[in-house]
Amino acid sequence: AQKITQTQPGMFVQEKEAVTLDCTYDTSDQSYGLFWYKQPSSGEMIFLIYQGSYDEQNATEGRYSLNFQKARKSANLVISASQLGDSAMYFCAMRARGGSNYKLTFGKGTLLTVNP
Amino acid sequence: DTEVTQTPKHLVMGMTNKKSLKCEQHMGHRAMYWYKQKAKKPPELMFVYSYEKLSINESVPSRFSPECPNSSLLNLHLHALQPEDSALYLCASSYDTTEQFFGPGTRLTVL
Repeated sequence: AQKITQTQPGMFVQEKEAVTLDCTYDTSDQSYGLFWYKQPSSGEMIFLIYQGSYDEQNATEGRYSLNFQKARKSANLVISASQLGDSAMYFCAMRARGGSNYKLTFGKGTLLTVNP
Repeated sequence: DTEVTQTPKHLVMGMTNKKSLKCEQHMGHRAMYWYKQKAKKPPELMFVYSYEKLSINESVPSRFSPECPNSSLLNLHLHALQPEDSALYLCASSYDTTEQFFGPGTRLTVL
């Protein structure tokens, strides 16, 4: 069974500062994928970034980077230069790769508030 | 076209009504999903269609009936719902077992 743990129910950051959202996972699969999604109050889940378990380099997408530490089973999201529009719920998720595994396991989420 | 659309955005229905939610994507994705999300909780998977065939049913009550008329469309038919079914219903699609792209959701209220 897979499990995602997000230990920060809420986080606050000042505009223009960097923030790290924590995510740890547990799986017995050797091949898996890790995802981060952003959900503003409007409701839409926005895909941010993906990291494969065999990817040697940390994934980056613009201001988002994923700090992947496989031995520690952590996949923290780093947002650089926070903006007011970054205020949202952030979900970490994982899925076993290969076969017909379509199921995503989500963490409970972290509510990020960016202060001006 | 790189988006998933959902209609309606809001829906209020009585417990005896029959209604349908609609989801559409034109990204050539072969898998489509329905999720239910309660406030301040992560999305819960309900159904997965892969290549227009039902692949996963997460033991969802029969008052929810999914339908996939073609590879671009996904419907969720609702009948005799309960107030506890009030939630945000999200549709998603993916090329295969890759990242899923979500629609804006339908906020459902059952009176």
